[in-house]
Amino acid sequence: QQQVRQSPQSLTVWEGETAILNCSYENSAFDYFPWYQQFPGEGPALLIAIRSVSDKKEDGRFTIFFNKREKKLSLHITDSQPGDSATYFCAANNNNNAPRFGAGTKLSVKP
Amino acid sequence: GALVYQYPRRTICKSGTSMRMECQAVGFQATSVAWYRQSPQKTFELIALSTVNSAIKYEQNFTQEKFPISHPNLSFSSMTVLNAYLEDRGLYLCGARSGTGPERLFFGHGTKLSVL
Repeated sequence: QQQVRQSPQSLTVWEGETAILNCSYENSAFDYFPWYQQFPGEGPALLIAIRSVSDKKEDGRFTIFFNKREKKLSLHITDSQPGDSATYFCAANNNNNAPRFGAGTKLSVKP
Repeated sequence: GALVYQYPRRTICKSGTSMRMECQAVGFQATSVAWYRQSPQKTFELIALSTVNSAIKYEQNFTQEKFPISHPNLSFSSMTVLNAYLEDRGLYLCGARSGTGPERLFFGHGTKLSVL
């Protein structure tokens, strides 16, 4: 089932820095890529998503860069805040299927 | 807004017994419900995708005989873990969405299953 891979497994940045989380996938049929944010004790919540027809999606401090040819994407969090400390999951799906999740990147933002 | 409730939040069952968990969608019609298991060392394992008026699609390594799912209407789904053993421990998450396209899933907090 591991069709989506994420790196690094964990990441620590200082407040104000840009955190970069990487994701790659295998199935070229995937065309929708949501990123979910999960805090301890809670279920994951959609943060931002991109469709394969786009190469960039921006929402405030969160930006997805997408490279269809290389089957890679990344989530950039600019001006990182301690409140951004969470685990981030990259997912991928297509049509009416359920998304496949990566193993997650645990982000820690130090004040 | 759209919310998904799961209950119980936590449960403990004896090895070999069964445990039923429920998922309630509020504020939207849950046309599709995906059940996942999140183990401590692993990512989300997709168990099955249930779409109202369609057959439930189970993933490899998960069967209806072990994880029977009910999705009787657009606001409710339940899943039972039959004959639970240690390897079934984990956080069971329900993700629901309206429509059948790849739109966002709304997740509940999950049901944490411990097996003694």
